[in-house]
Order: sequence, then structure tokens, then C-alpha cells
Amino acid sequence: EVQLVESGGDLVQPGGSLRLSCAASGFTFTNYWMDWVRQAPGKGLEWVANINKDGNKKKYVDAVKGRFTISRDNAKTSLYLQMNDLRVDDTAVYYCARDLLGPSCHWGQGILVTVSS
Amino acid sequence: QSVLTQSPSASGTPGQRVTISCSGSSSNIGRESVSWYHQLPGTAPKLLIYSNNQRPSGVPDRFSGSKSGTSASLAISGLQSEDESDYYCAAWDGSLNVVVFGGGTKLTVL
Repeated sequence: EVQLVESGGDLVQPGGSLRLSCAASGFTFTNYWMDWVRQAPGKGLEWVANINKDGNKKKYVDAVKGRFTISRDNAKTSLYLQMNDLRVDDTAVYYCARDLLGPSCHWGQGILVTVSS
Repeated sequence: QSVLTQSPSASGTPGQRVTISCSGSSSNIGRESVSWYHQLPGTAPKLLIYSNNQRPSGVPDRFSGSKSGTSASLAISGLQSEDESDYYCAAWDGSLNVVVFGGGTKLTVL
């Protein structure tokens, strides 16, 4: 069974940092690009970043460029999102997703990140 | 403001056919494939349609997708109460180099 399990969400003050993790199982992790997508409370979906199979190509939405870093550890079948200089408007549920736009798309259950003083 | 435009709401009665539209531009829908997702409150989104009109295994054939020019549509026939959900379209944007989503359409089954 395909599983994507996010962890690392927390309440953090503005300017703080968090590292989200997404543990993948039930499929060959190295066969897929991976994405992070977020959803602010009561709002729609916003794509955050993606990373290729080898981890050497990464893309980000402008709102997080220079602050967030996506990475993966294929040996640990895990995806990460390092979030620095967090802002109040980064508050959201963060989802990791496999093959976001393709036939093998699968989403994790999501993890809440709250940025507030 | 989302790059892809969806009507905020749609509604229909059981058994009816409803259509949800998604409008984009030449840099996204006009040249890239469209995917559709549905999301129940408090749960993760799930894929409904990929490559404009392809259904993953397990998705009923009541759901169909189409694309014309810079717009795409999701049609749901034989509407059922369990279809009440939020629906999102998405595509790659070749100019912005990001995935873009529609703002979502809340479907109500009356």
C-alpha cells in the first residue's frame, strides 16, 4: 500500500524555522518526482515546490524562494521541506505528493504548520 | 488570486449532470495537460482526472474531463450525494515554471 506520512508540523513564531518530513513507503521512491502543496485555513491549494527523482532539480513558487528548501533522501525514502524565516501567511496544512499531475498521484494526509506570535 | 479560474460554487440534484470549468492561458492549459482533484473537508485531495481526460483506476466513469484551447472542464453525470466536495484543477505553467491550481469549486448536491 502506498503511504506518504508527513511529520514535523508545529506552532512557530514569525521568523522561525521548521523542517517537514514525508516518509514514503509501498512504492519505489526513486521512480517519482515529489511535490509539496499547501492549503491555508479555509483556502485553496497552493503548490510550493517539487524535486526530481535524483534530487538535483528543484523548483519553487516565488512566495517561498530563498526561504524554503526541498530535498530528498532516496536511501531513507523520505522527502523534506526546510522552512526558514517563516511568516504568518505560511500558516497552512502542508501535503507531500507523489506524481502530482500524473496517473500515479498520491497525497499524504497533511501536516499543520502554524506561524503565530 | 489563482492563475487558473474556477467558479467558486456549483450545484445539482441527484442524477443530474453538472460541469465545472477551469480557465487558464496559453502558458498553462493551452499547452499542458490538466489534472482534476476532489477534496472532502478535513481530508487530503485525491486525483480524479489526469492528462485532460484520463481516469485513474478506481474513479467511476461518471467523471469525465475535457480540454479546449485554454479551458478545461470536469463533468459529473448521475450526480450522487457523495459527490458533494471541493474540486480543483491544476496544470504546469511553462512560463512561471510552477504548478498552478484553480481556486476550487464547491459542489453542492441539493
